[in-house]
Amino acid sequence: GAGVSQSPSNKVTEKGKDVELRCDPISGHTALYWYRQSLGQGLEFLIYFQGNSAPDKSGLPSDRFSAERTGGSVSTLTIQRTQQEDSAVYLCASSYRRDRVNYGYTFGSGTRLTVV
Amino acid sequence: AQSVSQHNHHVILSEAASLELGCNYSYGGTVNLFWYVQYPGQHLQLLLKYFSGDPLVKGIKGFEAEFIKSKFSFNLRKPSVQWSDTAEYFCAVARMDSSYKLIFGSGTRLLVRP
Repeated sequence: GAGVSQSPSNKVTEKGKDVELRCDPISGHTALYWYRQSLGQGLEFLIYFQGNSAPDKSGLPSDRFSAERTGGSVSTLTIQRTQQEDSAVYLCASSYRRDRVNYGYTFGSGTRLTVV
Repeated sequence: AQSVSQHNHHVILSEAASLELGCNYSYGGTVNLFWYVQYPGQHLQLLLKYFSGDPLVKGIKGFEAEFIKSKFSFNLRKPSVQWSDTAEYFCAVARMDSSYKLIFGSGTRLLVRP
């Protein structure tokens, strides 16, 4: 597609429920990233996929968070047993890298998650 | 751990005033540097980027940034701001020898008064 597509755009869930957030990156982009933007906060790195390499999960805040990327394309971020502090905008980005140069990141419009 | 610092959290300017937003990072190796902008209700957009070469980088909408390696800085500038520049600005750094993940500063909220 022309840009990074994220769905749903808004999600309201009850505390304790599981949620799945989807990201469809730009075709041809080998790297995919998830970030979280909480109200009044900056962008917090969550997880990074690059090609067939093992993902960098160093930013996941707890074991309730997981992500997978199927076929090197679409990614799903899953949050189990959601808590109110999980409320945030979850941003996905994809990028193209060549010769150790990263040509920037294209961000999706995000999924606004509200846990009530 | 690598960090990116944006010291100005909120900036208020009048139209036509000059802008400079500070950004410092803590990593000593080779980096790629970026400024992103987020207009109200919109998603992040790339403003400009530095990979190598001329340390003075020009971006969209009249913005520019200067990479000063000795100061680990990548400050954003615009000689004359407009009301439409009201937005949040994020500096970001990607290390060239790690996973290339982009580390963001905490952002600067700019309000331009007409």
